Amino acid sequence: NAGVMQNPRHLVRRRGQEARLRCSPMKGHSHVYWYRQLPEEGLKFMVYLQKENIIDESGMPKERFSAEFPKEGPSILRIQQVVRGDSAAYFCASSPYGRSSYEQYFGPGTRLTVT
Amino acid sequence: EDKVVQSPLSLVVHEGDTVTLNCSYEVTNFRSLLWYKQEKKAPTFLFMLTSSGIEKKSGRLSSILDKKELFSILNITATQTGDSAIYLCAVEGAQKLVFGQGTRLTINP
Repeated sequence: NAGVMQNPRHLVRRRGQEARLRCSPMKGHSHVYWYRQLPEEGLKFMVYLQKENIIDESGMPKERFSAEFPKEGPSILRIQQVVRGDSAAYFCASSPYGRSSYEQYFGPGTRLTVT
Repeated sequence: EDKVVQSPLSLVVHEGDTVTLNCSYEVTNFRSLLWYKQEKKAPTFLFMLTSSGIEKKSGRLSSILDKKELFSILNITATQTGDSAIYLCAVEGAQKLVFGQGTRLTINP
């Protein structure tokens, strides 16, 4: 079992560019969660998706950020017109179940640096 | 607003010592509390607790939940340098996992 995969592992973007972060969940998992971790801080929930559906995006900034989890392929977190404050580690997690009693398995993260 | 607070934020001990990490929470519609260990990369799952008073153990690590007082502790006995990491507590509430800020544990040889 390959585990949760994220790519790229490191991404450098200039201010104003777009960043696309990919997450492939563990085999058999249909629930995906995205988190952001700023330096010296805990993980902050951003969005929860099931295949083709956004279930909860209450942690996602209203502008510039979007997420999708298509029927085929990885989940994508997209940040448009990046700013320096977007620099962080972005973790994806997957689980086989929904919200009642689950374990989330985390990917290795994508470290985004905005210059 | 849902809140998870961990203490201490940072802890430095010698190899062989026993440590206790604390996690208190205020969360709507509590479902479970989870502990993770984060080294350089992704958090790895340690425990999930749903019932008060039942200790979960895995080797030198153990954890217990008190749903009345709204806290959990994570104990590590006979610490080793490999235990050095950030330990994250997360609580599943009505809609999502809410993480604490973590405890940075350093074990000196």
